[in-house]
Amino acid sequence: ETGVTQSPTHLIKTRGQQVTLRCSSQSGHNTVSWYQQALGQGPQFIFQYYREEENGRGNFPPRFSGLQFPNYSSELNVNALELDDSALYLCASSFKAGGGIEQFFGPGTRLTVL
Amino acid sequence: AQSVTQLDSQVPVFEEAPVELRCNYSSSVSVYLFWYVQYPNQGLQLLLKYLSGSTLVESINGFEAEFNKSQTSFHLRKPSVHISDTAEYFCAPNAGNNRKLIWGLGTSLAVNP
Repeated sequence: ETGVTQSPTHLIKTRGQQVTLRCSSQSGHNTVSWYQQALGQGPQFIFQYYREEENGRGNFPPRFSGLQFPNYSSELNVNALELDDSALYLCASSFKAGGGIEQFFGPGTRLTVL
Repeated sequence: AQSVTQLDSQVPVFEEAPVELRCNYSSSVSVYLFWYVQYPNQGLQLLLKYLSGSTLVESINGFEAEFNKSQTSFHLRKPSVHISDTAEYFCAPNAGNNRKLIWGLGTSLAVNP
């Protein structure tokens, strides 16, 4: 059983560019949640996908978008990057949407926007 | 609305001393409760969880937490810490109809020799 993986590990972009981050969920999991963790802060919920549909969204602008694929892997896309988008982006998978089931986190993608 | 408060942002402690990291939550519905740990430059790992049953839950590395419904708390404790316990600890209740995790700001535990 493989765990949650994320790619790339690190990424450097400039303001105004677009970025795509990828996440492979743990085997058997059908729900993926994305979080942004700024330096020294707790994770902030971006959105969650359950069976390829968005299942809740946090307080993030529309330039943050996502996808979930039939194999339950997921992408986070961020358009028009801003300096404040620099953060660790965490992906977490779980067995079903909500229900109190624990989430399993990937190692994260460290995004730096210059 | 649900919320969580981690009462201490930083906890310095000497090796082999006991430690308590405090977490209080507010919720109008029943909750599941989680503690996650984040070691330096790593992702989040589940430390322990309360879903139902016994209110005292334990992890494999000596941490324990007790769910106290009347005080709406889920404090994390360890009787004797090691330097390797140095990390950021997050309390995360999971409540509401959509059962989303609600994150505290974290407590930075620094274990000194």
